[in-house]
Amino acid sequence: DTAVSQTPKYLVTQMGNDKSIKCEQNLGHDTMYWYKQDSKKFLKIMFSYNNKELIINETVPNRFSPKSPDKAHLNLHINSLELGDSAVYFCASSQLVVRGETQYFGPGTRLLVL
Amino acid sequence: AQKITQTQPGMFVQEKEAVTLDCTYDTSDPSYGLFWYKQPSSGEMIFLIYQGSYDQQNATEGRYSLNFQKARKSANLVISASQLGDSAMYFCAMREGLKAGGTSYGKLTFGQGTILTVHP
Repeated sequence: DTAVSQTPKYLVTQMGNDKSIKCEQNLGHDTMYWYKQDSKKFLKIMFSYNNKELIINETVPNRFSPKSPDKAHLNLHINSLELGDSAVYFCASSQLVVRGETQYFGPGTRLLVL
Repeated sequence: AQKITQTQPGMFVQEKEAVTLDCTYDTSDPSYGLFWYKQPSSGEMIFLIYQGSYDQQNATEGRYSLNFQKARKSANLVISASQLGDSAMYFCAMREGLKAGGTSYGKLTFGQGTILTVHP
């Protein structure tokens, strides 16, 4: 009955590799997000999709490419991984049209680039 | 400029006592929402409480209440009757008004977080 799920939970990889993180929500929400939490625990928005359309792209390097095949899924593909990409990546979802909508977060994916 | 400021890097409280975690925000948007999330050591982000800028009353959810002072732009979280399981990092976040075609469309801006430790 997980509301927002992410896979994998842990990802350890070498610099230069390409990797993907998958996110799925079963809440029927129309908007999904990717956030990055750095080593100092600071959380920052990366992308947001509303009804499969990109609506927020916060100056993220173009090595990061989100893809939303449908409203319930938002995947994140990262090319040519760098050491600085090591972080926890959170997926979230909300129903945007409702005033006061709450964003529900997935469990996070801990990425370590060696 | 910081939009959300949490000035307390760490707080300590005795079990069963109340604790207030501070949060101030900065926005010129008349429509915004304020959120508190809890992040335990296991890492997940747990939604606690929400306050809308137009809400007349302070939000409450069980042991959590939000002390919303609009003129001072503060949204402090009050946890009553602290429990050992409340030990975690707490984040204040703001969602500014929805702007069609604008970049603040629903995104949350987070503060730096406050680590709360509950002592037995």
